[in-house]
Amino acid sequence: QKEVEQNSGPLSVPEGAIASLNCTYSDRGSQSFFWYRQYSGKSPELIMSIYSNGDKEDGRFTAQLNKASQYVSLLIRDSQPSDSATYLCAVTGTGFQKLVFGTGTRLLVSP
Amino acid sequence: KAGVTQTPRYLIKTRGQQVTLSCSPISGHRSVSWYQQTPGQGLQFLFEYFSETQRNKGNFPGRFSGRQFSNSRSEMNVSTLELGDSALYLCASSLDATNEKLFFGSGTQLSVL
Repeated sequence: QKEVEQNSGPLSVPEGAIASLNCTYSDRGSQSFFWYRQYSGKSPELIMSIYSNGDKEDGRFTAQLNKASQYVSLLIRDSQPSDSATYLCAVTGTGFQKLVFGTGTRLLVSP
Repeated sequence: KAGVTQTPRYLIKTRGQQVTLSCSPISGHRSVSWYQQTPGQGLQFLFEYFSETQRNKGNFPGRFSGRQFSNSRSEMNVSTLELGDSALYLCASSLDATNEKLFFGSGTQLSVL
């Protein structure tokens, strides 16, 4: 079982819709959770962090965390074509690495 | 505030050669982590440095090494290059050893022929 799992996609949504990206993790000791956005040919960019159960909103983005279910999600409201990218879920590691990354979900927003 | 700077941006090498990649963290950041990114494996942790000391190392062979200087700049070296080393190498900085927010540089795209 991978430590951080994401559906690779692509997830296709029309412009203006809500995009829902999901992530599960295996280490119950993980305390901090991050979402990174990576455009093709670019490096990952931190867009959201969440540390406690519940929702955290920042503009069009909402991160949701459920530690009991070991589940993190990212909602993007009013999706725009410029949101088309790969979204990486990252979870703090309790072993030898600071952050463990999922392989990412590719999001495609069509005009 | 300048971001994380990685040089060079692109590298083409042949099997058996060695390569050195450079990373300058965000000013004030003292921890540097290195990751290898490939299409199939995603982001794989290489190592982390803080205060010129390697804190952690991922599951990579000894051909992969690194160091950090007193100004927090870091270098990684890959010796005896193999075709499978072709990847995007990403450097990320964070404020200190315990801060988990990573900020990535643009990466070095290494192609081994």
